[in-house]
Order: sequence, then C-alpha cells, then structure tokens
Amino acid sequence: DTGVSQDPRHKITKRGQNVTFRCDPISEHNRLYWYRQTLGQGPEFLTYFQNEAQLEKSRLLSDRFSAERPKGSFSTLEIQRTEQGDSAMYLCASSMYSEAFFGQGTRLTVV
Amino acid sequence: GIQVEQSPPDLILQEGANSTLRCNFSDSVNNLQWFHQNPWGQLINLFYIPSGTKQNGRLSATTVATERYSLLYISSSQTTDSGVYFCAVELEGGSEKLVFGKGTKLTVNP
Repeated sequence: DTGVSQDPRHKITKRGQNVTFRCDPISEHNRLYWYRQTLGQGPEFLTYFQNEAQLEKSRLLSDRFSAERPKGSFSTLEIQRTEQGDSAMYLCASSMYSEAFFGQGTRLTVV
Repeated sequence: GIQVEQSPPDLILQEGANSTLRCNFSDSVNNLQWFHQNPWGQLINLFYIPSGTKQNGRLSATTVATERYSLLYISSSQTTDSGVYFCAVELEGGSEKLVFGKGTKLTVNP
C-alpha cells in the first residue's frame, strides 16, 4: 500500500494557461476527494467521487474547474484559464469507509 | 453549515512541555479526524476518533460527541511536533466530506 500519490508536486504557470493535476488513491479505496488550501487556512472541500461517479461539487468549483475519475481509479483535476487567485495547495484524499488519507498535495503558483 | 473552531490558534512551548489542543463543532458528526500538517504540506493522520479516547505514544485524543468537542493531548513535546494541527469533521447525515478548522500552529522550541 503506497498511499495517496499526487503529481506534480509543484506547478508554476502563467495566468490564462490550463493546468491538470493527477491523483492516484490508495488501491481499493472507492472514495476520492479534492480539497484546496490557501495560506493560513484549513483545507476546503472541492469535489467528491464514489467510484467513477462525481457525487458532490462545492460552490468553490467554478466553471473553469473540472474533475474526472474514469474507471473509478485515478482522478484528474483541470483548471482552465488560470487566475492568480487559483494559487493554492490542491490536496487529494481517498477513503474506503470513513477515515480519509491525504496525498502530499500539488502546490500551484499562477504568475 | 457546520462550524469547526480550534483553539488556541497559536501555541509556543519549550521542549518537554505538555499541551492540549481543542476542537469545538456545532453539529452532530459521523467522523472526526486529527491531522498534523508537516512543513511540506502533507496532512499526516493522527487519530480517527468520532467518540471515545485513543492513545498513540506521546499523543492521545478524546472526543465527547454529546458535548461536541474533541481534545488532542501532546505530552513531553519535541521540536519535531512543530507544525499545524487540524481537526476535521464529517457532518452526521450530511455529505461525506470533511470540514476543517483553521488549525492550531504549534512551535516547540529547544
């Protein structure tokens, strides 16, 4: 069991570019979550999958954000037309029942 | 939505001291977890504790669900305990997402 894996660890992009992050959950975990954390705050929920179905999306997830989890395994989070306000740590978590386990995060900087 | 409040926001200790971190929540919960965020940003699981008491080495936690609070105890603190401690809860009967407090930033000086 290798834990939750996120790629890349760091991403610097120019405003207006598109970025995509990947999350590989713990194997056999059927639930996968994306959170966003800005400086000095706790993580905030973005979206949640059970298997391949996206069951909930936060109001924080604007139309520029899209997440997928094809085949109920890994997930991708895409941000289109990035803005400076998108700069944050993007965290992925997975769970089987209730206890959630987090990956190392992807730190996005939009310049 | 559910409110999660952590106190104190900041705590400075000398190595060897004990401390208590508190988490208050406003509604009934299915799940409560304590995390330690390391300097690289990863959230490390400390306890999954929707109720009762658990201990792991120098750390222990107690959740009193009926009174809507949880406590994290750190004994004989070490410099490696420094970082931000988060409490996160899952609302009972709600969606299966965690709602985080703002954290307690702990600094342990040698």
